[in-house]
Amino acid sequence: DQQVKQNSPSLSVQEGRISILNCDYTNSMFDYFLWYKKYPAEGPTFLISISSIKDKNEDGRFTVFLNKSAKHLSLHIVPSQPGDSAVYFCAASGILVENTNAGKSTFGDGTTLTVKP
Amino acid sequence: EAGVAQSPRYKIIEKRQSVAFWCNPISGHATLYWYQQILGQGPKLLIQFQNNGVVDDSQLPKDRFSAERLKGVDSTLKIQPAKLEDSAVYLCASSLAGGRASYNEQFFGPGTRLTVL
Repeated sequence: DQQVKQNSPSLSVQEGRISILNCDYTNSMFDYFLWYKKYPAEGPTFLISISSIKDKNEDGRFTVFLNKSAKHLSLHIVPSQPGDSAVYFCAASGILVENTNAGKSTFGDGTTLTVKP
Repeated sequence: EAGVAQSPRYKIIEKRQSVAFWCNPISGHATLYWYQQILGQGPKLLIQFQNNGVVDDSQLPKDRFSAERLKGVDSTLKIQPAKLEDSAVYLCASSLAGGRASYNEQFFGPGTRLTVL
Protein backbone atom coordinates (compact mmCIF):
# COMPACT_ATOMS: atom_id res chain seq x y z
CA ASP A 1 0.00 0.00 0.00
CA GLN A 2 1.37 3.37 -1.03
CA GLN A 3 2.07 5.57 1.98
CA VAL A 4 2.57 8.78 -0.02
CA LYS A 5 0.16 9.59 -2.82
CA GLN A 6 0.10 12.29 -5.43
CA ASN A 7 -3.26 11.79 -7.05
CA SER A 8 -2.79 14.18 -9.94
CA PRO A 9 -0.32 12.79 -12.49
CA SER A 10 -0.26 16.09 -14.35
CA LEU A 11 -1.13 19.76 -14.01
CA SER A 12 -1.11 22.52 -16.59
CA VAL A 13 -1.22 26.22 -15.69
CA GLN A 14 -0.70 29.53 -17.43
CA GLU A 15 2.42 31.55 -16.79
CA GLY A 16 1.92 34.00 -13.94
CA ARG A 17 -0.88 32.01 -12.33
CA ILE A 18 -0.72 29.86 -9.21
CA SER A 19 0.27 26.19 -9.36
CA ILE A 20 -1.01 23.97 -6.55
CA LEU A 21 0.38 20.47 -6.22
CA ASN A 22 -1.14 18.11 -3.68
CA CYS A 23 0.12 15.18 -1.67
CA ASP A 24 -1.52 12.82 0.84
CA TYR A 25 0.12 10.45 3.27
CA THR A 26 -1.16 7.63 5.42
CA ASN A 27 1.62 6.96 7.96
CA SER A 28 1.11 9.13 11.05
CA MET A 29 4.76 8.54 12.02
CA PHE A 30 5.96 10.79 9.21
CA ASP A 31 7.01 14.11 10.70
CA TYR A 32 9.13 15.72 8.01
CA PHE A 33 8.06 16.39 4.44
CA LEU A 34 9.93 17.48 1.35
CA TRP A 35 9.29 18.47 -2.22
CA TYR A 36 11.75 17.63 -4.97
CA LYS A 37 11.79 18.87 -8.53
CA LYS A 38 13.02 16.75 -11.42
CA TYR A 39 13.94 17.73 -14.95
CA PRO A 40 14.31 15.06 -17.68
CA ALA A 41 17.58 13.11 -17.60
CA GLU A 42 18.51 14.64 -14.24
CA GLY A 43 18.16 13.48 -10.67
CA PRO A 44 15.60 15.09 -8.35
CA THR A 45 16.71 18.29 -6.64
CA PHE A 46 15.50 19.46 -3.25
CA LEU A 47 13.02 22.32 -3.36
CA ILE A 48 11.48 22.96 0.04
CA SER A 49 10.65 21.10 3.24
CA ILE A 50 8.44 21.37 6.29
CA SER A 51 8.52 19.88 9.75
CA SER A 52 5.34 18.62 11.38
CA ILE A 53 5.62 21.30 14.06
CA LYS A 54 4.79 23.90 11.41
CA ASP A 55 1.84 24.33 9.09
CA LYS A 56 3.51 26.56 6.54
CA ASN A 57 6.96 27.17 5.14
CA GLU A 58 7.76 29.76 2.51
CA ASP A 59 10.79 30.20 0.26
CA GLY A 60 10.45 32.83 -2.40
CA ARG A 61 7.78 31.78 -4.88
CA PHE A 62 7.36 28.40 -3.20
CA THR A 63 5.16 27.72 -0.17
CA VAL A 64 4.39 24.38 1.39
CA PHE A 65 1.31 23.93 3.57
CA LEU A 66 0.83 21.01 5.95
CA ASN A 67 -2.51 19.86 7.36
CA LYS A 68 -1.61 17.13 9.85
CA SER A 69 -5.16 16.24 10.78
CA ALA A 70 -5.97 15.58 7.13
CA LYS A 71 -2.53 14.06 6.44
CA HIS A 72 -2.27 16.39 3.48
CA LEU A 73 0.32 18.78 2.16
CA SER A 74 0.41 21.08 -0.81
CA LEU A 75 3.01 23.04 -2.72
CA HIS A 76 2.04 26.47 -4.04
CA ILE A 77 4.08 28.17 -6.73
CA VAL A 78 3.27 31.83 -7.27
CA PRO A 79 3.73 33.16 -9.88
CA SER A 80 4.36 30.12 -12.05
CA GLN A 81 7.08 30.40 -14.69
CA PRO A 82 7.81 28.24 -17.76
CA GLY A 83 11.08 27.14 -16.10
CA ASP A 84 9.01 25.54 -13.35
CA SER A 85 7.83 22.90 -15.82
CA ALA A 86 9.12 19.64 -14.33
CA VAL A 87 8.05 16.59 -12.34
CA TYR A 88 7.45 17.37 -8.67
CA PHE A 89 7.83 14.65 -6.07
CA CYS A 90 6.44 14.76 -2.58
CA ALA A 91 8.46 12.82 0.01
CA ALA A 92 7.82 11.98 3.65
CA SER A 93 10.30 11.09 6.34
CA GLY A 94 10.96 11.01 10.06
CA ILE A 95 13.34 13.28 11.91
CA LEU A 96 13.38 11.97 15.45
CA VAL A 97 15.81 9.28 16.50
CA GLU A 98 13.08 6.95 17.66
CA ASN A 99 11.14 7.34 14.42
CA THR A 100 11.71 4.28 12.25
CA ASN A 101 11.35 6.53 9.21
CA ALA A 102 14.27 8.68 10.35
CA GLY A 103 16.83 9.49 7.69
CA LYS A 104 14.98 7.99 4.76
CA SER A 105 12.28 9.26 2.46
CA THR A 106 9.18 7.64 1.00
CA PHE A 107 8.29 9.23 -2.32
CA GLY A 108 5.01 9.75 -4.15
CA ASP A 109 4.77 9.01 -7.87
CA GLY A 110 5.11 12.63 -8.90
CA THR A 111 3.06 15.29 -10.65
CA THR A 112 4.17 16.65 -14.01
CA LEU A 113 3.71 20.41 -14.04
CA THR A 114 3.52 22.26 -17.35
CA VAL A 115 3.56 26.04 -17.27
CA LYS A 116 2.41 27.52 -20.56
CA PRO A 117 3.85 30.89 -21.70
CA GLU B 1 31.03 21.74 -4.78
CA ALA B 2 30.91 18.68 -7.01
CA GLY B 3 27.61 16.82 -7.09
CA VAL B 4 26.86 13.13 -6.86
CA ALA B 5 28.50 11.28 -9.74
CA GLN B 6 27.09 8.13 -11.31
CA SER B 7 28.23 5.89 -14.13
CA PRO B 8 27.36 4.66 -16.59
CA ARG B 9 24.50 6.95 -17.60
CA TYR B 10 22.88 4.33 -19.80
CA LYS B 11 23.13 0.56 -19.97
CA ILE B 12 21.37 -1.98 -22.18
CA ILE B 13 21.71 -5.67 -21.35
CA GLU B 14 19.87 -8.88 -22.02
CA LYS B 15 17.99 -10.71 -19.30
CA ARG B 16 20.09 -13.02 -17.15
CA GLN B 17 23.17 -10.86 -17.71
CA SER B 18 24.92 -9.00 -14.91
CA VAL B 19 25.35 -5.27 -14.52
CA ALA B 20 27.03 -2.92 -12.05
CA PHE B 21 26.50 0.73 -11.30
CA TRP B 22 28.92 3.07 -9.59
CA CYS B 23 28.27 6.09 -7.39
CA ASN B 24 30.56 8.72 -5.91
CA PRO B 25 28.74 10.83 -3.32
CA ILE B 26 29.38 14.41 -2.34
CA SER B 27 32.57 14.68 -0.30
CA GLY B 28 31.88 14.45 3.41
CA HIS B 29 28.40 12.99 3.09
CA ALA B 30 28.06 10.11 5.49
CA THR B 31 24.82 8.66 4.17
CA LEU B 32 24.39 7.12 0.75
CA TYR B 33 21.19 5.83 -0.81
CA TRP B 34 20.36 3.72 -3.86
CA TYR B 35 16.90 4.12 -5.34
CA GLN B 36 15.07 2.35 -8.16
CA GLN B 37 12.73 4.53 -10.20
CA ILE B 38 10.43 2.69 -12.58
CA LEU B 39 8.87 4.79 -15.34
CA GLY B 40 5.87 6.72 -14.03
CA GLN B 41 6.65 6.02 -10.37
CA GLY B 42 8.56 7.74 -7.63
CA PRO B 43 11.99 6.64 -6.43
CA LYS B 44 11.89 3.53 -4.25
CA LEU B 45 14.64 3.04 -1.69
CA LEU B 46 16.71 -0.09 -2.25
CA ILE B 47 19.47 0.36 0.32
CA GLN B 48 20.80 3.01 2.68
CA PHE B 49 24.38 3.17 3.99
CA GLN B 50 25.67 5.17 6.93
CA ASN B 51 29.42 5.44 6.30
CA ASN B 52 30.21 1.87 5.23
CA GLY B 53 27.49 0.15 7.26
CA VAL B 54 24.01 -0.79 6.02
CA VAL B 55 21.18 1.07 7.76
CA ASP B 56 18.27 -0.31 5.74
CA ASP B 57 18.17 -2.89 2.97
CA SER B 58 14.67 -4.17 3.63
CA GLN B 59 13.51 -3.49 0.06
CA LEU B 60 16.59 -4.82 -1.71
CA PRO B 61 15.87 -8.05 -3.63
CA LYS B 62 18.82 -9.83 -2.12
CA ASP B 63 18.56 -12.88 -4.35
CA ARG B 64 19.76 -10.79 -7.29
CA PHE B 65 20.79 -7.35 -6.03
CA SER B 66 23.86 -6.55 -3.97
CA ALA B 67 25.51 -3.32 -2.92
CA GLU B 68 28.62 -2.32 -1.10
CA ARG B 69 30.24 0.85 0.10
CA LEU B 70 33.85 0.18 0.80
CA LYS B 71 35.78 2.72 2.89
CA GLY B 72 32.57 4.68 3.39
CA VAL B 73 32.87 6.65 0.15
CA ASP B 74 32.11 5.18 -3.29
CA SER B 75 29.42 2.58 -3.74
CA THR B 76 28.51 -0.04 -6.30
CA LEU B 77 25.14 -1.65 -6.94
CA LYS B 78 25.08 -4.97 -8.80
CA ILE B 79 22.27 -6.95 -10.38
CA GLN B 80 22.93 -10.60 -11.15
CA PRO B 81 21.07 -11.98 -13.04
CA ALA B 82 18.93 -9.18 -14.45
CA LYS B 83 15.23 -9.58 -15.18
CA LEU B 84 13.00 -7.63 -17.56
CA GLU B 85 11.30 -5.91 -14.60
CA ASP B 86 14.63 -4.45 -13.49
CA SER B 87 14.40 -1.92 -16.33
CA ALA B 88 14.41 1.39 -14.49
CA VAL B 89 16.52 4.40 -13.58
CA TYR B 90 18.85 3.71 -10.67
CA LEU B 91 19.46 6.80 -8.62
CA CYS B 92 22.18 7.36 -6.08
CA ALA B 93 21.80 10.06 -3.45
CA SER B 94 23.82 11.25 -0.50
CA SER B 95 23.18 13.36 2.56
CA LEU B 96 25.29 14.94 5.24
CA ALA B 97 23.92 12.89 8.12
CA GLY B 98 20.74 10.82 8.17
CA GLY B 99 20.57 7.34 9.51
CA ARG B 100 18.61 7.39 12.75
CA ALA B 101 20.15 10.60 14.08
CA SER B 102 18.58 13.34 12.02
CA TYR B 103 17.37 14.18 8.56
CA ASN B 104 19.16 16.20 5.93
CA GLU B 105 18.09 16.84 2.38
CA GLN B 106 19.30 14.33 -0.13
CA PHE B 107 21.39 15.23 -3.16
CA PHE B 108 20.76 13.01 -6.16
CA GLY B 109 23.00 11.99 -9.01
CA PRO B 110 21.73 11.98 -12.62
CA GLY B 111 20.92 8.28 -12.47
CA THR B 112 21.69 5.27 -14.65
CA ARG B 113 18.99 4.23 -17.07
CA LEU B 114 18.97 0.43 -17.34
CA THR B 115 17.14 -1.37 -20.12
CA VAL B 116 16.84 -5.13 -19.88
CA LEU B 117 15.88 -6.84 -23.14
